[in-house]
Amino acid sequence: DTGVSQDPRHKITKRGQNVTFRCDPISEHNRLYWYRQTLGQGPEFLTYFQNEAQLEKSRLLSDRFSAERPKGSFSTLEIQRTEQGDSAMYLCASSWANVLTFGAGSRLTVL
Amino acid sequence: DQQVKQNSPSLSVQEGRISILNCDYTNSMFDYFLWYKKYPAEGPTFLISISSIKDKNEDGRFTVFLNKSAKHLSLHIVPSQPGDSAVYFCAARRDAIGDMRFGAGTRLTVKP
Repeated sequence: DTGVSQDPRHKITKRGQNVTFRCDPISEHNRLYWYRQTLGQGPEFLTYFQNEAQLEKSRLLSDRFSAERPKGSFSTLEIQRTEQGDSAMYLCASSWANVLTFGAGSRLTVL
Repeated sequence: DQQVKQNSPSLSVQEGRISILNCDYTNSMFDYFLWYKKYPAEGPTFLISISSIKDKNEDGRFTVFLNKSAKHLSLHIVPSQPGDSAVYFCAARRDAIGDMRFGAGTRLTVKP
């Protein structure tokens, strides 16, 4: 088991472009979470899945953001029409109980 | 709405001494509390946790104390080591399934 994997690790894009991040959770974990972290702040909850069902979404998740977990395994987070304010570290985590295991994150820079 | 607060952005201690990191929360529905440690360019890694039915949990050099009446928890590291230098996040959740709320973090520096 290699832990939670995220790809890409870094993404630089121009404002207005779409970006997609992928997360591969720990295989036996049924819950998958997306968080966003900006400089000097803690991780902020975006959304989470139990198996393939998206059970909760934060109000931070505007309509430009969409997350999927089609087969209850890997997940994607897409940001459409990126804005400079979307620049952040996007963290994925998985769990089957109380403790979340995080990936290393995908850093997005919007120019 | 910041439901979990870490009011000290940084803390510096001497190697071998005790490090005490503090955290306050506002939501009385939280029933599980965790501490995560984060090194640069890595995701947060789980350190220690405590359920609301306990007031203390110990794991080696790390002890977490929970004061429910004050809605306060703390992490004690004894003795502190230079390798403990990292950002520490306090986190809380309810019902073991929903989102986990994090504080802004405290950067601990342990000086040799």
